[in-house]
Amino acid sequence: NAGVTQTPKFQVLKTGQSMTLQCAQDMNHEYMSWYRQDPGMGLRLIHYSVGAGITDQGEVPNGYNVSRSTTEDFPLRLLSAAPSQTSVYFCASSYSMTQPQHFGDGTRLSIL
Amino acid sequence: AQSVTQPDIHITVSEGASLELRCNYSYGATPYLFWYVQSPGQGLQLLLKYFSGDTLVQGIKGFEAEFKRSQSSFNLRKPSVHWSDAAEYFCAVVLTETSGTYKYIFGTGTRLKVLA
Repeated sequence: NAGVTQTPKFQVLKTGQSMTLQCAQDMNHEYMSWYRQDPGMGLRLIHYSVGAGITDQGEVPNGYNVSRSTTEDFPLRLLSAAPSQTSVYFCASSYSMTQPQHFGDGTRLSIL
Repeated sequence: AQSVTQPDIHITVSEGASLELRCNYSYGATPYLFWYVQSPGQGLQLLLKYFSGDTLVQGIKGFEAEFKRSQSSFNLRKPSVHWSDAAEYFCAVVLTETSGTYKYIFGTGTRLKVLA
């Protein structure tokens, strides 16, 4: 049982480049979410999904897109990377929004 | 505004000493409450949760937390800290908004250092 798997673990981008952070879970969870973690700011919600085909914005959605075509996968797309998007990104999943979340190990992203 | 406050950014304790990490929330009703732990380079792991009922909840790794409605607090405690407890700890709440949707809010975290 792999839980929540994020790829890649590390990535360096140049300003203006685009990329997709992958997230997959094998627990048949309906709820999935993306957070960014910055020093002194805790975790901030970027986007979330309550099921396949349903996504919504979180606290800091600008510059990011998501889609949820299957229950298992919830990729996060950076459209045009900016240095302000340098952060550690975490994907999480749970049975519902009120249940404890299971986190991946994170993707450390640097934008030069 | 709805918020979660962890007033201590850093805490240092000696191994074997007791520990209390503070968490306060600002919300009119009782939220769902969680404590997570994050080891370096890892994701967050659930320590314990409170939904309703007994206000003292037990979690993994010997941790417990007490919900105090009158103080809007959910402090995390451990009677005797081990060196392996050194990590960052996050309090989180799930609130129900007026629209009926839920909102998940994390505190800014408390980094625990354990002295041998």
